[in-house]
Amino acid sequence: DVKVTQSSRYLVKRTGEKVFLECVQDMDHENMFWYRQDPGLGLRLIYFSYDVKMKEKGDIPEGYSVSREKKERFSLILESASTSQTSMYLCASRLADGEGEQFFGPGTRLTVL
Amino acid sequence: GDSVTQMEGPVTLSEEAFLTINCTYTATGYPSLFWYVQYPGEGLQLLLKATKADDKGSNKGFEATYRKETTSFHLEKGSVQVSDSAVYFCALDGGSNYKLTFGKGTLLTVNP
Repeated sequence: DVKVTQSSRYLVKRTGEKVFLECVQDMDHENMFWYRQDPGLGLRLIYFSYDVKMKEKGDIPEGYSVSREKKERFSLILESASTSQTSMYLCASRLADGEGEQFFGPGTRLTVL
Repeated sequence: GDSVTQMEGPVTLSEEAFLTINCTYTATGYPSLFWYVQYPGEGLQLLLKATKADDKGSNKGFEATYRKETTSFHLEKGSVQVSDSAVYFCALDGGSNYKLTFGKGTLLTVNP
C-alpha cells in the first residue's frame, strides 16, 4: 500500500515564524501536492510538483513556497506565518499525471497564534 | 474551468437508512470521477472511482455511476452504519492539468 506521511499531526507557531511542513511518500510517485482544508471551502490546492525540482502554483500559492529536492519528499514552507494560515494541511501523491487517484497523508493541523 | 458541486450538508440519518449524496460536475473533455471519505481526525481516503461514462464504482457498500448525460456522480448506500459517519468529497480529474478538483464536502452523521 502507498503510504504518505506528514511530519506533524499538530503544530502551533507564532506569527512571523518560518514554518516547514514535511511530506514523504514511499511508492516512487512522480506527482506530489499540498492542499489546505478549511470549513466551508473544501480542499484548495496550494502547490504541486510533477517531478523532482519541478513545481507549479496551485489556486492559492500566496504566502507559501515549496521544495522538492528528492522524489519522495515535498516540503511546504510558510516564510512568515500569519493567523490566516491557521488551517489543516494535507499532502498527497500520485503515480504520475493521468494515472488515477491521489493518496493522502493524515494531515497537519497548524495553528498560528 | 472544471468544477464540482455537491449537496451541502450536514446530512443526519438513522442507522440502516438509505443514503444519497448528490454530485454534479462541469469539465471539458472526459474526466475521471472520484469519491473520497475523511473520517474524523484523518486524511482523505479514496472510496471509489469511475474513469468513463456509465462506469459504476463500488466499495464498502457504496456505489456511484458516472452519468455523462446528466454530468453526475451521485453517491449511494442502501443501509448506512454509524461507522459511515464522515465527510464525503466528490472530485474530478480533468486530465489536463495534474490536479483534482474537489467539491466542498458533505458531512454525514449516522445515529444509532
